[in-house]
Amino acid sequence: QVQLKESGPGLVQPSQTLSLTCTVSGFSLTSNSVHWVRQPPGKGLEWVGAIWSGGSTDYNSALKSRLSISRDTSKSQVFLKMNSLQTEDTAIYFCTRRGYNWGQGVMVTVSS
Amino acid sequence: DIQMTQSPSFLSASVGDRVTINCKASQNINKYLDWYQQKLGEAPKLLIYNTNSLHTGIPSRFSGSGSGTDFTLTISSLQPEDVATYFCLQHNSGSWTFGGGTKLELK
Repeated sequence: QVQLKESGPGLVQPSQTLSLTCTVSGFSLTSNSVHWVRQPPGKGLEWVGAIWSGGSTDYNSALKSRLSISRDTSKSQVFLKMNSLQTEDTAIYFCTRRGYNWGQGVMVTVSS
Repeated sequence: DIQMTQSPSFLSASVGDRVTINCKASQNINKYLDWYQQKLGEAPKLLIYNTNSLHTGIPSRFSGSGSGTDFTLTISSLQPEDVATYFCLQHNSGSWTFGGGTKLELK
């Protein structure tokens, strides 16, 4: 059974770095891409970035300078790091396997 | 970057109605267009992938069509459980882009 679960701090101070982990089961990271998608409260979906089965990455061009996505295949985990956080980064952050399976999401609030 | 324009933003319809939602891409995305349904407080759920392929377990009243830059999601007979927000997603290139969403409510 495919499962994804996001974890990370619920509250981050402005200008600090966000670190999120997506722990997956039921599939291999070396055969599937994992994407991060975020959704500000009451708003639409925004693609953040992806790590592909071969380990290469792609990022939303608007976030690219602040963003890093990596993985540990031995632990079945994908990591998102975003620096210089601002209030507009407040959102639910989801990880998804190619859009087919999704985690429940983790709410991240950027506030002092 | 590819932009996706989704319309309408809001839709009110009655049970049994035929409902259509549109997405227009800023450039040719071939067939690489998916549709998602998102209910309040839940993660998005894949309905249709690659324009017209119905995802596993999705009722046949949902269908997709289009090609190139213009795409449509159709619900043939609206059911109460279809109340949700719908998003299109292009994945033609290495980066994805979502449409702005259509909030569907019952009249």
